[in-house]
Amino acid sequence: DIVMTQSPDSLAVSLGERATINCASSQSVLYRSNNKTYVAWYKQKSGQPPKLLIYWASTRESGVPDRFSGSGSGTYFTLTISSLQAEDVAVYYCHQYYSSPLTFGGGTKVEIK
Amino acid sequence: QVQLVQSGSELKKPGASMRVSCKASGYTFSSYGMNWVRQAPGQGPEWMGRISTNTGNPTYAQGFTGRFVFSLDTSVSTAYLQISSLKAEDTAVYYCARDGGGGWDHRWFDPWGQGTLVTVSS
Repeated sequence: DIVMTQSPDSLAVSLGERATINCASSQSVLYRSNNKTYVAWYKQKSGQPPKLLIYWASTRESGVPDRFSGSGSGTYFTLTISSLQAEDVAVYYCHQYYSSPLTFGGGTKVEIK
Repeated sequence: QVQLVQSGSELKKPGASMRVSCKASGYTFSSYGMNWVRQAPGQGPEWMGRISTNTGNPTYAQGFTGRFVFSLDTSVSTAYLQISSLKAEDTAVYYCARDGGGGWDHRWFDPWGQGTLVTVSS
């Protein structure tokens, strides 16, 4: 199974500042034949289902604010919130869909400092 | 709009069985696979498996074989999760989540149902 390890477990960022969440996979999730990285990111607010933010490691889902960006390839990935807003308080999860079983990171809780 | 609506919360006794439904709307049901995800209290999501809405073929993750069954009623665009011999450790929120795209490898999840809280307690 591919293990997804997120860091940090939590972070507190001032409004308008940058938040960076990291995710590492235990093996590469880059499919060389199409050069695609099989990683998605989700945001989960308290009491709600997860909401898709990013897929293919860096493709922003329609309707997601452009302050959210994803980067990385191979085994190391990053979700960046360029200017934290109050509505961004949530837990964020990375997810690999490269191979079964599909797996998630442990989550990063983002709060306002 | 694309939407998944799940059945309501359940309180069950150990040893009982239950079924969660997930009704899809706003798209062609058979064009996207359906996944089931468990989220235990205070934990992250855990993929339980997927059912092809085209063939009805289910795939179960390790740890979700035997007591867990995925099924479909394509006539009403609904997927089902059945759990038998319920245990206290099955207490969790269960989500259905559609494949994000129609391609064979478009296996991110979007959208998700609202979740069904299952509580197993004597």
